[in-house]
Amino acid sequence: AQSVAQPEDQVNVAEGNPLTVKCTYSVSGNPYLFWYVQYPNRGLQFLLKYITGDNLVKGSYGFEAEFNKSQTSFHLKKPSALVSDSALYFCAVSDRSNDYKLSFGAGTTVTVRA
Amino acid sequence: NAGVTQTPKFRILKIGQSMTLQCAQDMNHNYMYWYRQDPGMGLKLIYYSVGAGITDKGEVPNGYNVSRSTTEDFPLRLELAAPSQTSVYFCASSPPQENQPQHFGDGTRLSIL
Repeated sequence: AQSVAQPEDQVNVAEGNPLTVKCTYSVSGNPYLFWYVQYPNRGLQFLLKYITGDNLVKGSYGFEAEFNKSQTSFHLKKPSALVSDSALYFCAVSDRSNDYKLSFGAGTTVTVRA
Repeated sequence: NAGVTQTPKFRILKIGQSMTLQCAQDMNHNYMYWYRQDPGMGLKLIYYSVGAGITDKGEVPNGYNVSRSTTEDFPLRLELAAPSQTSVYFCASSPPQENQPQHFGDGTRLSIL
């Protein structure tokens, strides 16, 4: 069975500082990994994905994520956070064993203070 | 483009009432999904569909039903509302390739009292 863990419920950073949101996963095969962001009273918006190839993936709004197979991690990063990055972030994984249906982590609330 | 449209945005139901949550997409996506989001729990898959006339259960299907008569529409039915069904419901769609991201609607916030 596949699963995703986001070990931090909340992440607080100052504007201009680096932002990291952690994600670890468990799958039986090769994973497809996704990051989504949710703003208040809105649906999830796709940020980036890892399918295969380069372990460093670049996505929307200056975000990037690094796939680490040995640590089964896919941490989301942004070099310089903005107040507008304050939102709820979800990591998700899929693989062939579950017909590529997504399993989501519980989410991490990011607060960027001015 | 409208993307994925969900109606209504908010609804309050009494225990035992029934209702249908509507979902429509205009991207000609084969795959559609219904999730519920509860605080601190992430999203749980209720039902999904890989095309018109084909539906299948997800992780938490009890108390819900779906139909898919067209590519565009994927309504979710609650037959006998229970307090445990108080949640935010999201509909999503995607192309049939497994590496494509899902597109989400803005959700229906449902309270059962």
